[in-house]
Amino acid sequence: KNEVEQSPQNLTAQEGEFITINCSYSVGISALHWLQQHPGGGIVSLFMLSSGKKKHGRLIATINIQEKHSSLHITASHPRDSAVYICAVVLSGSARQLTFGSGTQLTVLP
Amino acid sequence: EPEVTQTPSHQVTQMGQEVILRCVPISNHLYFYWYRQILGQKVEFLVSFYNNEISEKSEIFDDQFSVERPDGSNFTLKIRSTKLEDSAMYFCASSVAGTQETQYFGPGTRLLVL
Repeated sequence: KNEVEQSPQNLTAQEGEFITINCSYSVGISALHWLQQHPGGGIVSLFMLSSGKKKHGRLIATINIQEKHSSLHITASHPRDSAVYICAVVLSGSARQLTFGSGTQLTVLP
Repeated sequence: EPEVTQTPSHQVTQMGQEVILRCVPISNHLYFYWYRQILGQKVEFLVSFYNNEISEKSEIFDDQFSVERPDGSNFTLKIRSTKLEDSAMYFCASSVAGTQETQYFGPGTRLLVL
């Protein structure tokens, strides 16, 4: 049973395109994280959301608690954005354990 | 900028051997975590640690695993008797507080059990 589903699994875009990655979850959560995993394996936290919307540079993350859905948007995509983007949630009743999605492999072509 | 560090970056061991993976969390952080990622699979939670004791652990974190904060700066994951299926990337992370705080990840230790 996958508590966190991401789509698409793979995404190829041309430089400059607007990108959306989706995350749906089937359980109650207290927080949702968006993470970026580089080709070498390192993981960087992008956002932590419990409601609404956050923006950092060209990245925007939104969450709809009622619909159990979050999106990560990248504006004016660049080849350096190529990475795996991972959605992870903190389940209600858990203090801080993250439950991860399978990730979206993004490739931005020049 | 402060960062989480992990050593070694790579470790190869024989099945049945004990391994200790080391992490130095960010200095003012209070919560520490271990995660693992088997090649090609999603990241999985192993354990969280606060105030010198385990806060939460997953089903994966069985009796062959243990964690310790031996000296106030290091945070270690010990696997007592490694199995082939323990081969994975192990990530340490830390956060200032708990649920609503960003977790900062180390670069990982790639463990290969032969």
